[in-house]
Amino acid sequence: DSGVTQTPKHLITATGQRVTLRCSPRSGDLSVYWYQQSLDQGLQFLIQYYNGEERAKGNILERFSAQQFPDLHSELNLSSLELGDSALYFCASSSRRGNEQYFGPGTRLTVT
Amino acid sequence: DAKTTQPPSMDCAEGRAANLPCNHSTISGNEYVYWYRQIHSQGPQYIIHGLKNNETNEMASLIITEDRKSSTLILPHATLRDTAVYYCIVSNAGGTSYGKLTFGQGTILTVHP
Repeated sequence: DSGVTQTPKHLITATGQRVTLRCSPRSGDLSVYWYQQSLDQGLQFLIQYYNGEERAKGNILERFSAQQFPDLHSELNLSSLELGDSALYFCASSSRRGNEQYFGPGTRLTVT
Repeated sequence: DAKTTQPPSMDCAEGRAANLPCNHSTISGNEYVYWYRQIHSQGPQYIIHGLKNNETNEMASLIITEDRKSSTLILPHATLRDTAVYYCIVSNAGGTSYGKLTFGQGTILTVHP
């Protein structure tokens, strides 16, 4: 158990819909990272927040957005969903910038 | 971040040491070598990292060559539960990339009885 929690574990929704994935980092960790893992693209970094501020962006689509709240939990919002957005979405946290990252169990999103 | 090259797959007998190589010939002076693994579709698990000295923890040892262009992750006594995809990642920890991890294809390690 990494100490990082993600909800929900599974999500099935239709194309065009919007979903929110939630992540609670390990106690005391200020950085939260989001990654997407699909069969054809592998594990890809999406975005990082550090103590409520966006710090780095990767291959995140404009239809996707994220935020980190004052209690340090984070949400990843995915809108106008397409079939290709079906993937595992992982959240990770670290205690300070650049330190080792601890991953949650992931949310499996299926878009039908 | 520097690119890494790993063999796509390796086998290891249970109880034996598993030595997973990684080439990172373009690594720069302030980049660390990280190793993670992913068992089935679980979240990746941090194993170990190092800059230039060899490192050891309760899970594994990391050997980095003197020129830092390659490294080897050693699992001293592999078990069936070590079957996973192992990722070698070079990251500018604390630098401009702010700790993001760039995953490659990794090495599928299969430990057999």
